[in-house]
Amino acid sequence: SQTIHQWPATLVQPVGSPLSLECTVEGTSNPNLYWYRQAAGRGLQLLFYSVGIGQISSEVPQNLSASRPQDRQFILSSKKLLLSDSGFYLCAWSVGRTFTGELFFGEGSRLTVL
Amino acid sequence: ILNVEQSPQSLHVQEGDSTNFTCSFPSSNFYALHWYRWETAKSPEALFVMTLNGDEKKKGRISATLNTKEGYSYLYIKGSQPEDSATYLCASDNTDKLIFGTGTRLQVFP
Repeated sequence: SQTIHQWPATLVQPVGSPLSLECTVEGTSNPNLYWYRQAAGRGLQLLFYSVGIGQISSEVPQNLSASRPQDRQFILSSKKLLLSDSGFYLCAWSVGRTFTGELFFGEGSRLTVL
Repeated sequence: ILNVEQSPQSLHVQEGDSTNFTCSFPSSNFYALHWYRWETAKSPEALFVMTLNGDEKKKGRISATLNTKEGYSYLYIKGSQPEDSATYLCASDNTDKLIFGTGTRLQVFP
């Protein structure tokens, strides 16, 4: 069966520090991968999605970046965090090159930038 | 810009009450409409994915309908139970990506 894991679960970082959130998927090949963020009082905002290794689409201008070094690994990074980067980050995957398939979400990572 | 809106923002009901929420989305370039349930301290889980105008789907006491021409979907819960307490998210798929609404937070009191 397929599983998705992301870590760390909780992170408290000072402004200006770097960030790395990791997500891995097991039990499937060539998944579409996504990073979403939920800021306080807001819905899930799509940050990045990837349909293959090295292929990253960015949805919003920001100081975050994403990389997909392996088929089932998706990494969210920042060189210097801002206060506005605080939020709950969710990694998700879906089957292949279709968006009518449901999303499967990881456990989430809560980031607090102080 | 694809705007997905949900109402109400929050809802408190008594156990046994039936309830429903609304999701509205742009009808142009529509591909699919998703509903997810997000319980506290858990990950969102898919309830339904609907693609055709007039679609109706059911899972136990929860059902959903879809009107793609006017751009709305309803989620119904019959005989709400405390374990139904969660945030219910809808998301519109415009063939490129899923755009989520802000959700309806449901609390069911025993």
